[in-house]
Amino acid sequence: AQTVTQSQPEMSVQEAETVTLSCTYDTSESDYYLFWYKQPPSRQMILVIRQEAYKQQNATENRFSVNFQKAAKSFSLKISDSQLGDAAMYFCAYGRYGGATNKLIFGTGTLLAVQP
Amino acid sequence: NAGVTQTPKFQVLKTGQSMTLQCAQDMNHNSMYWYRQDPGMGLRLIYYSASEGTTDKGEVPNGYNVSRLNKREFSLRLESAAPSQTSVYFCASSYGTSEAEKLFFGSGTQLSVL
Repeated sequence: AQTVTQSQPEMSVQEAETVTLSCTYDTSESDYYLFWYKQPPSRQMILVIRQEAYKQQNATENRFSVNFQKAAKSFSLKISDSQLGDAAMYFCAYGRYGGATNKLIFGTGTLLAVQP
Repeated sequence: NAGVTQTPKFQVLKTGQSMTLQCAQDMNHNSMYWYRQDPGMGLRLIYYSASEGTTDKGEVPNGYNVSRLNKREFSLRLESAAPSQTSVYFCASSYGTSEAEKLFFGSGTQLSVL
């Protein structure tokens, strides 16, 4: 069974600085998808970024980028130029390729605080 | 455009009471899901509906039932609530069933069972 591990329950970063959130996963599949979701205090789950495992190039979305290391089964999220609005819980998630349905497996989350 | 709408936002139940959580999406999505979120455990899938007229169990289905009323609506029912069902419940939807599809989430229901 696939598992997703986020080993940092809490992180803190100064405004305008860069922070990296860690995520590791375990799977025997070769094709899959990885996601980072953001959950601000409003509780709304928002997709931040998505990575296809068959793509070697790391995904980027504005100030958000990932470091995808397939062999190490590592998928970290880098937030550059951190802003107060980035303060939230961040969840890493795994999606199996070709599955019957979109059943994501989530990590336990990392709570990010942004200090002014 | 409302997206995914869940009601109620908050609910307190006594052990043994029943209730139904409602979810509706206006994006013409085919697939809908119910997740629960517990501290230190991330989100876990309770039930899902790949398309109108079908439902299937997820990771933690015990104690719950679902109904895909039509393409827009997917409800979650607790027949006899237990304290272990205290959680935040999220409904989500996606256009298709591929793992590549983006999930759209509702704002959640905070449920407390006393």
